[in-house]
Amino acid sequence: DGGITQSPKYLFRKEGQNVTLSCEQNLNHDAMYWYRQDPGQGLRLIYYSQIVNDFQKGDIAEGYSVSREKKESFPLTVTSAQKNPTAFYLCASSGLNNQPQHFGDGTRLSIL
Amino acid sequence: RKEVEQDPGPFNVPEGATVAFNCTYSNSASQSFFWYRQDCRKEPKLLMSVYSSGNEDGRFTAQLNRASQYISLLIRDSKLSDSATYLCVVNAGGYNKLIFGAGTRLAVHP
Repeated sequence: DGGITQSPKYLFRKEGQNVTLSCEQNLNHDAMYWYRQDPGQGLRLIYYSQIVNDFQKGDIAEGYSVSREKKESFPLTVTSAQKNPTAFYLCASSGLNNQPQHFGDGTRLSIL
Repeated sequence: RKEVEQDPGPFNVPEGATVAFNCTYSNSASQSFFWYRQDCRKEPKLLMSVYSSGNEDGRFTAQLNRASQYISLLIRDSKLSDSATYLCVVNAGGYNKLIFGAGTRLAVHP
């Protein structure tokens, strides 16, 4: 089955801890994205990547880091500098030239 | 001004009703437009792309007015299963980046 896989589904972070959210796609898409969604709010872009080994900051990149070493994978690290990490994190991928994005089923992150 | 603005809702309608959602966008250079559906605590899913000539997919009709920078979604014969939040999505004017509206919540009741 082609798709986007995010893991874990639920994640708990202790204060001062970095955590990494996984996102893998087998759709052969060039572009990948990370969004954050808070309850009752819209999606906000954290980081995006249009090609391997390159990525750009979105609107709320502070406290987050990413890497794009392989086309299929775009992990997101929520660092201890992100003081309010509790949210629903969504990974998406798309072809280039403004194609629609397809989403994984998300990771819910909470603070212990 | 927000880049993509939508009716906040919620829209509460009976089964069988016709309901219309509106959306305006600020970037006149935007070229791609979509409607997504998001169920409670789930990921957004693509409902339909929006084309300049307008397009229809079963009970759903999307229209685009570039001059007014306005997009609409019409749902006919509403079903209980249409209850969800509908997101208006616009590309960021030539870049491979999409801007999501905050969404309009629809609740269809028996």
